Amino acid sequence: GENVEQHPSTLSVQEGDSAVIKCTYSDSASNYFPWYKQELGKRPQLIIDIRSNVGEKKDQRIAVTLNKTAKHFSLHITETQPEDSAVYFCAASDRNSGGSNYKLTFGKGTLLTVNP
Amino acid sequence: ETGVTQTPRHLVMGMTNKKSLKCEQHLGHNAMYWYKQSAKKPLELMFVYNFKEQTENNSVPSRFSPECPNSSHLFLHLHTLQPEDSALYLCASSQERSYEQYFGPGTRLTVT
Repeated sequence: GENVEQHPSTLSVQEGDSAVIKCTYSDSASNYFPWYKQELGKRPQLIIDIRSNVGEKKDQRIAVTLNKTAKHFSLHITETQPEDSAVYFCAASDRNSGGSNYKLTFGKGTLLTVNP
Repeated sequence: ETGVTQTPRHLVMGMTNKKSLKCEQHLGHNAMYWYKQSAKKPLELMFVYNFKEQTENNSVPSRFSPECPNSSHLFLHLHTLQPEDSALYLCASSQERSYEQYFGPGTRLTVT
């Protein structure tokens, strides 16, 4: 099955700096890579995703890059703000063997702290 | 409340108790998922239901018993749990052939 490794486990930056979180995956068949943000005591929420047919996607201050050959993808947050502080999870998805839905395998998460 | 809801939000139970967690999605999705989130561990997929049929059981102990009566409701029946089962249990749903999963707020379970 799929195995997703995520680094670093904790990341502390100053407000305004950039933050980068990296993930690697093992299954070359994986074709969808979402990033979820989970604030303390709240549910995980999708912030950005990328599919295997593109190498980069950007949404305002957030970008994700994908290197299929190396099987790694990264989350980039620019101009960080205190409200970006949360746990960020990467995931990789392949088709659920039992049907037409997709199974997500998550990384262990990165606790990002943005210091004012 | 819209989206995915879960009840109860907090649950404390003894090892001999029987309890159930409930999840309901108001998004018209056809797939529902149970995840376990423990401290310092990744989100662990437990079960997947697709159109009420279980399509994935990720080697979950039998003391966890899921039930999906229809595409909008998902239950997790708990019995004879262990303290190490204490965790946040998250429900999620997705649309057929869609990658994106929407999570509920979770049930914080403590087994004493």
